[in-house]
Amino acid sequence: AQKITQTQPGMFVQEKEAVTLDCTYDTSDPSYGLFWYKQPSSGEMIFLIYQGSYDQQNATEGRYSLNFQKARKSANLVISASQLGDSAMYFCAMRALKTSYDKVIFGPGTSLSVIP
Amino acid sequence: DTEVTQTPKHLVMGMTNKKSLKCEQHMGHRAMYWYKQKAKKPPELMFVYSYEKLSINESVPSRFSPECPNSSLLNLHLHALQPEDSALYLCASSQAFGQGALEQYFGPGTRLTVT
Repeated sequence: AQKITQTQPGMFVQEKEAVTLDCTYDTSDPSYGLFWYKQPSSGEMIFLIYQGSYDQQNATEGRYSLNFQKARKSANLVISASQLGDSAMYFCAMRALKTSYDKVIFGPGTSLSVIP
Repeated sequence: DTEVTQTPKHLVMGMTNKKSLKCEQHMGHRAMYWYKQKAKKPPELMFVYSYEKLSINESVPSRFSPECPNSSLLNLHLHALQPEDSALYLCASSQAFGQGALEQYFGPGTRLTVT
């Protein structure tokens, strides 16, 4: 069975500092995709970054980078130079790459608060 | 354009009402999803449509009825709901398996209150 674990229910970070949000996953599928989404209090789920299981390099998108350690089954999100607008819920998610099971599962989320 | 639109943004309905939620995307995605989300919880998958066919129903009660009239539109018909169905309903779309990139794009959601 597939599972996503996010062990940090809540995190605080000082503005302009970097923060790492943890994500570990469990799957027996050889091919999968890992994602991070941001959900502000307004409710919209915003796609941040994607990492494929066969990608050799860690994904980066602006201030977001994904620290992918396949052997450890971890996909941590690093946000550099935190801004007040980064305060939100962050969800790690996984999608298996097979037609018989094409759905995305989400972790429980981490609530990030950026302090001025 | 990575926009998914949802209407209405807010909906209040009684337990005997019939209403519908609408979702639209014009990204050429052939997979569309309905999720239910309670406060401070992750989204829970309800339905998946792939190439306009229902591929996954996560044992959702029959008072929720999905419909995919074409590749751009997804509806969720609501009838005889219960107060515990009050939640944020999110629509998402993505490339279907084998079609390309995998990330899902979400709409802004419909906040549903059942009285």
